[in-house]
Amino acid sequence: GAVVSQHPSRVICKSGTSVKIECRSLDFQATTMFWYRQFPKKSLMLMATSNEGSKATYEQGVEKDKFLINHASLTLSTLTVTSAHPEDSSFYICSLALGGRETQYFGPGTRLLVL
Amino acid sequence: RKEVEQDPGPFNVPEGATVAFNCTYSNSASQSFFWYRQDCRKEPKLLMSVYSSGNEDGRFTAQLNRASQYISLLIRDSKLSDSATYLCVVAPGGFQKLVFGTGTRLLVSP
Repeated sequence: GAVVSQHPSRVICKSGTSVKIECRSLDFQATTMFWYRQFPKKSLMLMATSNEGSKATYEQGVEKDKFLINHASLTLSTLTVTSAHPEDSSFYICSLALGGRETQYFGPGTRLLVL
Repeated sequence: RKEVEQDPGPFNVPEGATVAFNCTYSNSASQSFFWYRQDCRKEPKLLMSVYSSGNEDGRFTAQLNRASQYISLLIRDSKLSDSATYLCVVAPGGFQKLVFGTGTRLLVSP
């Protein structure tokens, strides 16, 4: 069965608005979750590592003030795209690793379209 | 140079064919290696881990050559349902961080 869920699966918004994406671990407690972004015909790129109870760790080139991450519980991490612009349109996917291993389980993804 | 490089394809093969994908990685300190499968507009799903000794899972065989920094995936007796993009994934050695290749697209036709 599914390990990770994401909501919403698809969102269309106007430029300048903020969008919140939720990532839930369904059966496991996850102290660490990961947020990725994938543009069409491109590879998944890690945006940030979400840490429960502390600040997220952002990859180089990812603006932390634009992509706000909150990991307030062991089963929920949220990514908020603030003041979204058309170039933020992408496929956003979260994941978690179980038991400290490197194998990651991915959520079904959220497709964001900014008009 | 990209950290993980793959031939994007597409590889068009008939059902029953054997097809091989290759992948190279640049970080010699990389610790773990995986093949993921991604269907169109879906999330990646783990296909198999790759070990130095090589490993097999049914019709799928993965091999790792650390000296050449090269990973391969062999699919035997291709099925229509094998049509997907195959992602080569490397863990450089940091805690759980994964680096993805752009993927190789496979199309299996009747």
